Amino acid sequence: DVVMTQTPLSLSVTPGQPASMSCKSSQSLLHGDGKTYLSWFLQKPGQPPHLLVYEVSTRFSGVPDRFSGSTSGTDFTLTISRVEAADVGIYYCMQGTHLPKTFGQGTKLEIK
Amino acid sequence: QVQLVQSGAELKKPGASVRVSCMPSGYMFTTYHMHWVRQAPGQGFEWMGFIDPSSGTTDYARKFQGRVTMTRDTYTTTFYMDLVSLRSDDTAVYYCTRSGGMDFWGQGTTVTVSS
Repeated sequence: DVVMTQTPLSLSVTPGQPASMSCKSSQSLLHGDGKTYLSWFLQKPGQPPHLLVYEVSTRFSGVPDRFSGSTSGTDFTLTISRVEAADVGIYYCMQGTHLPKTFGQGTKLEIK
Repeated sequence: QVQLVQSGAELKKPGASVRVSCMPSGYMFTTYHMHWVRQAPGQGFEWMGFIDPSSGTTDYARKFQGRVTMTRDTYTTTFYMDLVSLRSDDTAVYYCTRSGGMDFWGQGTTVTVSS
């Protein structure tokens, strides 16, 4: 199974400042169809996760452009350009290229 | 708008079975695969498998093969996930989520396995 390793495990950021978090896959996520199925989700307490970014860098409908995704090989990054209080929660990456789909262990974002 | 509504919380004894349902709305039922994911207390996510609503074809994670069955009812437009031989480590919130992209999620169903 593909192992997804997220760093850091927690992050404390001042509102208005940027934040970035990483996700490293144990193997290439390039699918045979030419796409890379790496997604980012945010889960707030007591809620299901919701999709932020899919296929590495495409923002899901309604997601602010403060959120952006990028990649360098098997390293993936989610960046929030200006953190807001509403961004608190746990961020998870997920690879959908290989079965079983696997998730990272999460990065908890807190506000200073 | 797209919604996935799941059945209510369940309390089961070890060795029992559980059925969780998921009723989507806001899109054509047969258009998207339905995936099931679970989250144990304080833990991350574990993908269990998916079902193609058009054909009924399923693909299960190796860990759950033999214990999980995913079905759908095209008349009532409802998906089901059955898990048998429950153990205490099956205690988790179970989610249905639309498509491989997991773009929409149900609210979650808490399954507690305890004697």
